[in-house]
Formats: sequence, structure tokens, C-alpha cells
Amino acid sequence: EAQVTQNPRYLITVTGKKLTVTCSQNMNHEYMSWYRQDPGLGLRQIYYSMNVEVTDKGDVPEGYKVSRKEKRNFPLILESPSPNQTSLYFCASRRDRGSQSGANVLTFGAGSRLTVL
Amino acid sequence: QQQVKQSPQSLIVQKGGISIINCAYENTAFDYFPWYQQFPGKGPALLIAIRPDVSEKKEGRFTISFNKSAKQFSLHIMDSQPGDSATYFCAASIERGSTLGRLYFGRGTQLTVWP
Repeated sequence: EAQVTQNPRYLITVTGKKLTVTCSQNMNHEYMSWYRQDPGLGLRQIYYSMNVEVTDKGDVPEGYKVSRKEKRNFPLILESPSPNQTSLYFCASRRDRGSQSGANVLTFGAGSRLTVL
Repeated sequence: QQQVKQSPQSLIVQKGGISIINCAYENTAFDYFPWYQQFPGKGPALLIAIRPDVSEKKEGRFTISFNKSAKQFSLHIMDSQPGDSATYFCAASIERGSTLGRLYFGRGTQLTVWP
């Protein structure tokens, strides 16, 4: 089954304790991206990657790191989590290039709910 | 700066009624306008999309209406059902060119359909 898999799905941690949220896709997609979802603010892009070893900041990158060493994996790293990073996180991927109709379709993971105390 | 503005933030509709969610954009370069549907505990998933060369696209009970001159587009859900209760996101992007553009999302509308 074509999918984006995130782990963990739920996590409660404390301020300053480094954590990593993993993301893996089995669709051979070039593009991957991380979003956070907060009430009233919708989906905000944190980081994205156009391909292996190519990453760039989204709208809210502060406090996060990413890496793209392999095409299928795109982990999100919180080096020193703070309470304002309590949120619902989504990883997404899509294939690139698309002059074909309907190419710009993001496939999302099921989400990772993070609470930082 | 918010690229896509979505309203209302929440919507309550009776079963069988019409749900209407509106979005507006400023960038006239956008040429792809999808809607994503998100059920509780799930990630968003593509519901329906439109390009600006048509004014309307219909898939079952879901219709996108597009007004290029007003830079607005809307999602209409006919005969709304309790199973349509979800969060809906509009989005916009630029598709032409050598690289697909990023998707800019609206802030979402939480739809509740009462039985």
C-alpha cells in the first residue's frame, strides 16, 4: 500500500529533551515536507526537501532541523523542544516532476501529536 | 502574508443541507486549486481540484466553483451527510514550469453536519 508512515504517533516529552519524529514513504517520491497543524492556524510548512540532500526552510523553521540522506526518509528533529512546539505534525510527499495533470498531489501521513511539558 | 484566505473557520449544517466554504487568493500566477479533506485522527487527503480554465468542477456531491476575475473559489457540498464532518482545507499553487510549486493552504474550515 502506498503510504507515508510517521512515528511516533503520540509523544509527551519535557522541555529540552531532544527528539526525532521519523517519516518514511514507499512511493519513490522526490518531494517531502513537514507541516504543523494548530487550531485556527491551519497547516504551516516547517521544512521541505526537493530531493536527497536538498532541504529548505518553510514558513516556521525555527527550532527544527531536518535531513534527507535517503529518498524515502525525512526525519524531523527537535534539538531542544519547547512548549510552543506542542502541536500536531504531518509529513507529506509527492512525486516531481509534473507537467502531467494532477501531479501536484500531496500524500500525508497520519500525524504525530507532540506535547512538550 | 497569508497567500490563501479561507472562511468560515467553522460551519454547522443540517443533514441534507448545502455546505459552502470560500477561499480567496491574491497571486494571479496560481494555476492549481485543490481542496483537501481531513477526518479526525487522519492526515489531509485530496478531495477535488480545479484549474482556472474552467469555472466549475463537480465530483459527486462536491463542486468547486471558480471565479478568476474575483480571485475566489469555493467548495459546495450538496446534500451534506454526517460522514462529511471533517476539516476542509483549500490550497493554491503554481504548476506550470519546470518545477512544481509549493501548495499554500488556507487555515481550514471545521464542518459539522448534524443528523
